[in-house]
Amino acid sequence: GQQLNQSPQSMFIQEGEDVSMNCTSSSIFNTWLWYKQDPGEGPVLLIALYKAGELTSNGRLTAQFGITRKDSFLNISASIPSDVGIYFCAGQNAGNNRKLIWGLGTSLAVNP
Amino acid sequence: GAVVSQHPSWVICKSGTSVKIECRSLDFQATTMFWYRQFPKQSLMLMATSNEGSKATYEQGVEKDKFLINHASLTLSTLTVTSAHPEDSSFYICSAPSHSTGELFFGEGSRLTVL
Repeated sequence: GQQLNQSPQSMFIQEGEDVSMNCTSSSIFNTWLWYKQDPGEGPVLLIALYKAGELTSNGRLTAQFGITRKDSFLNISASIPSDVGIYFCAGQNAGNNRKLIWGLGTSLAVNP
Repeated sequence: GAVVSQHPSWVICKSGTSVKIECRSLDFQATTMFWYRQFPKQSLMLMATSNEGSKATYEQGVEKDKFLINHASLTLSTLTVTSAHPEDSSFYICSAPSHSTGELFFGEGSRLTVL
C-alpha cells in the first residue's frame, strides 16, 4: 500500500538536544498526524494538524502542516530520555473511511 | 480520552491452530474499527476495516479466509488468525475512531508468536 516518505529513519542524540523529523507525500492530505509508539505498545497521538500552514505545539513538541499539503515536520525541543521511541507521521483525507497513510517511522534514541 | 483495549496482549500458539484477538472500545461506540499488522522495525500496515453489522473490507493482498473479522457489536471487533503459521507472527493493532471527534484511538497491540 501507499506509504509516506519519513526521514530520518533513525536518530541518536544527547539529552537536551533538539530533534527534527519530516514527512513528504506525492499526494495531498487534509490532515497530518504525528504519533509516538513505545516498544510493545500501540501508537499514541501527539499532534493533529488540520489546515495547510498550521503550526501547532504540544509541550516541547511542535509540528507544522506544509503549505502544499504534501509535507509536515515535527520538532522536539530539549529532548529527555523518555522521548525515546518510534515516531510516525500519518496522512488522512476526509471520507475514504478515515484510512491513515503511514510514514515508515523515525526511531529516536536519547543518550542521558 | 477514549480508550481502546485489546486482548490478549500476547499469545503463543502452535502452527495450525487458530487465534482470536479482541478489540474493544471501552467508553465509546465504534461502527468502524481498523486492524493493522506491524512487523519489527516497520510501519503499521492496514489489513482490514471492520464494519459493525456487515462484512469487513480487506486491503489488497490480505486473505479474508485467513484473517476472519467479526464486528458483532458497537464496542467489539475480533480478528481470528486461522491455521496460523510462523510467518503470521507479528504485532496486531486495532484502532477505532471516536464518533464525536473522529480521532483514531489505538489499542495496546497483541503480539502473536506462532511456533
